[in-house]
Amino acid sequence: RKEVEQDPGPFNVPEGATVAFNCTYSNSASQSFFWYRQDCRKEPKLLMSVYSSGNEDGRFTAQLNRASQYISLLIRDSKLSDSATYLCVVRTGGFKTIFGAGTRLFVKA
Amino acid sequence: EAQVTQNPRYLITVTGKKLTVTCSQNMNHEYMSWYRQDPGLGLRQIYYSMNVEVTDKGDVPEGYKVSRKEKRNFPLILESPSPNQTSLYFCASSFRDRGYEQYFGPGTRLTVT
Repeated sequence: RKEVEQDPGPFNVPEGATVAFNCTYSNSASQSFFWYRQDCRKEPKLLMSVYSSGNEDGRFTAQLNRASQYISLLIRDSKLSDSATYLCVVRTGGFKTIFGAGTRLFVKA
Repeated sequence: EAQVTQNPRYLITVTGKKLTVTCSQNMNHEYMSWYRQDPGLGLRQIYYSMNVEVTDKGDVPEGYKVSRKEKRNFPLILESPSPNQTSLYFCASSFRDRGYEQYFGPGTRLTVT
């Protein structure tokens, strides 16, 4: 079992749609959680950290459920520019960082 | 401008010829890390460093060395590169607070023939 698992994708959605990404992690001692986006073969860029209380940044909402070891990202009102690969990232208690394989999103006009 | 820089950006080399990929950050970050990205495998951590002179192995350290003699620099050394080290490499850095939100360099595409 992979330490961080994501929906395999790809997701193909029309502009304006709401799309949800899911992620599970296996190490219950994990301490920090993030969503990154990566455009084709470029460097990953931090989208948002994920907190137990949930957090929102504009059209993006992230949730963390420690009991279920589950992380989610919701994108509302999708834009063409949201097309990218979304990476779920977990930092363990030992300071290692584990990336999920990523979910590709295509937003079409 | 706050940034992480890597050099070279592209490198083609031959098996067994030692090489170093440099990484430098100007944000006074304590934490630095190296990753490789391969199709179908995602990003995997090679080594990380909590601070000067403190380094530890990630998930795929075999065939690599690192050093952290200064806070801003974290070079990745391939003593004897092999074709299976052909990959896209990223360096990243972060502060210890805010849960180690990492900022990535632009990547180094390495081909070993």
